[in-house]
Amino acid sequence: GQNIDQPTEMTATEGAIVQINCTYQTSGFNGLFWYQQHAGEAPTFLSYNVLDGLEEKGRFSSFLSRSKGYSYLLLKELQMKDSASYLCAVVDSNYQLIWGAGTKLIIKP
Amino acid sequence: DTAVSQTPKYLVTQMGNDKSIKCEQNLGHDTMYWYKQDSKKFLKIMFSYNNKELIINETVPNRFSPKSPDKAHLNLHINSLELGDSAVYFCASSQVIGSPNEQFFGPGTRLTVL
Repeated sequence: GQNIDQPTEMTATEGAIVQINCTYQTSGFNGLFWYQQHAGEAPTFLSYNVLDGLEEKGRFSSFLSRSKGYSYLLLKELQMKDSASYLCAVVDSNYQLIWGAGTKLIIKP
Repeated sequence: DTAVSQTPKYLVTQMGNDKSIKCEQNLGHDTMYWYKQDSKKFLKIMFSYNNKELIINETVPNRFSPKSPDKAHLNLHINSLELGDSAVYFCASSQVIGSPNEQFFGPGTRLTVL
């Protein structure tokens, strides 16, 4: 079966750095998305990785290792507004998005 | 400009009723989706349409029937509502099926069945 694993919840301090991990086992791989979802709102796109390595976009970076079936989202200089759920989603061989359950990130002052 | 819109935003109804949720996208995308997000926040695909044709139909009770009058609209009709149908329903769209395109989500419809 297809499986995406992420921690359920993480807590970090304002101004710090946090890394949210995602491991996957899917039938085929055509890329990995990270989405951010604030409580009561829709998911919004953060990043897309299809090749190994690190993609940096401002305070957020996303890393992929296809051989390990592993990705992480790195958030730097955390702000209170970063409190949200972060969803990992993998595009399988049929170009279907397989979603993780999301990681709820709590930022404390 | 609203990219993906859904109506209503909130829907409270009794068990056994029939209700519809409407979705429209003005992005010119070919593919539209319906997702269900339950209290555990797990996002589950229900249906996918490409140019008005059904592509994905996950294991969803046949009380749920999607309808796509044109490629900009994908509505969801639910018959004989049950308590377990209470969830947030998201509509989404992407440019083309068969490639890893970013999906754009509507604001969601919070359905509560009493």
